[in-house]
Amino acid sequence: KNEVEQSPQNLTAQEGEFITINCSYSVGISALHWLQQHPGGGIVSLFMLSSGKKKHGRLIATINIQEKHSSLHITASHPRDSAVYICAVSNSGYALNFGKGTSLLVTP
Amino acid sequence: NAGVTQTPKFQVLKTGQSMTLQCAQDMNHNSMYWYRQDPGMGLRLIYYSASEGTTDKGEVPNGYNVSRLNKREFSLRLESAAPSQTSVYFCASSESPSLDTQYFGPGTRLTVL
Repeated sequence: KNEVEQSPQNLTAQEGEFITINCSYSVGISALHWLQQHPGGGIVSLFMLSSGKKKHGRLIATINIQEKHSSLHITASHPRDSAVYICAVSNSGYALNFGKGTSLLVTP
Repeated sequence: NAGVTQTPKFQVLKTGQSMTLQCAQDMNHNSMYWYRQDPGMGLRLIYYSASEGTTDKGEVPNGYNVSRLNKREFSLRLESAAPSQTSVYFCASSESPSLDTQYFGPGTRLTVL
């Protein structure tokens, strides 16, 4: 099983700050996913990437395949970004292996 | 497009009772999944269906059964509920296994007393 570790576990930031959440995994993968879970439970996929970098609005995801590491960046953070951010990896099989999530609170 | 829908949203069972969680998607996706989410743990795969007519066990299948009724619907059954099955259950779907974005339902919060 691919072990997925996220850091930090919890993060508090002030509105406007630049935020980085890290994800590392133990075994080579075919793709890495970043998901967002708001209080109340809904889970939304933010990115799926297998190399390089992707950007969507204020969110940027990067992956370094050689180092088995990915980062999710949030620029100009806002209280509505408060959520749990989850990293998941997929190998050639069907299952996603999920990290435990990073709980982010952005205060005004 | 409703996306992925799940029923019920909340359920309380007594130990030994049975129930079926329903999931449906309207995106014409081939693959569907059932996960459970417990405090302090990542999402864990219970069962998946790579395509209509096939189902396979995931990481934590014990105590559960599934049915891929048709391309749209994938149900999860608890035959004899146990307190250890208290969890939040998520259904998800994707166009194909593994290498596509997964779309999640809103979840079912199940408590087994």
